[in-house]
Amino acid sequence: NAGVTQTPKFRVLKTGQSMTLLCAQDMNHEYMYWYRQDPGMGLRLIHYSVGEGTTAKGEVPDGYNVSRLKKQNFLLGLESAAPSQTSVYFCASSYGRVWDTEAFFGQGTRLTVV
Amino acid sequence: SQQGEEDPQALSIQEGENATMNCSYKTSINNLQWYRQNSGRGLVHLILIRSNEREKHSGRLRVTLDTSKKSSSLLITASRAADTASYFCATDVYGGSQGNLIFGKGTKLSVKP
Repeated sequence: NAGVTQTPKFRVLKTGQSMTLLCAQDMNHEYMYWYRQDPGMGLRLIHYSVGEGTTAKGEVPDGYNVSRLKKQNFLLGLESAAPSQTSVYFCASSYGRVWDTEAFFGQGTRLTVV
Repeated sequence: SQQGEEDPQALSIQEGENATMNCSYKTSINNLQWYRQNSGRGLVHLILIRSNEREKHSGRLRVTLDTSKKSSSLLITASRAADTASYFCATDVYGGSQGNLIFGKGTKLSVKP
């Protein structure tokens, strides 16, 4: 009964490096989301997907790309990491529209860009 | 764009006391949700209240919604040390993107044994 699993849990990147964060859910949810959480800022939506093969921009999409090739996976990519992308990243999924149903969150990925 | 704002930012109480947190938002909503986040962990859904509901209960949790004042409150009764966490309200924007659930900055609750 895994729910939403994020890998990796911690990562340190040098400025300019690239990486991919993987989110996997085993609940057959249609909707998946990537948020970032910064101190004193709450959670902000980066990108989301309403189904396999679809993606859409959220509130803070610049510097990130996403893909949803399989229903159960939602990947978040950083092509050229910047210190401003130091944050804790959370993936979430929901059965229906996120404002209408419960969202399930992963444990987070703590990313530091130096 | 901050839709919801929790108040107070931090709250410290003794075990057994009640804890009340408030959330105010700016625009019309469909629903409002409350989430809990333990330190270093992901968010856990607590309760969803729809815009046509005024009050909802779940165990020791009581949530109220006043759409005329654009505010909600979360009451935790008979608090326990395990309730120590940050609590967030989250709303959509009526007529807005189906992908966007907007979180407040949270109330940090500390329950002392």
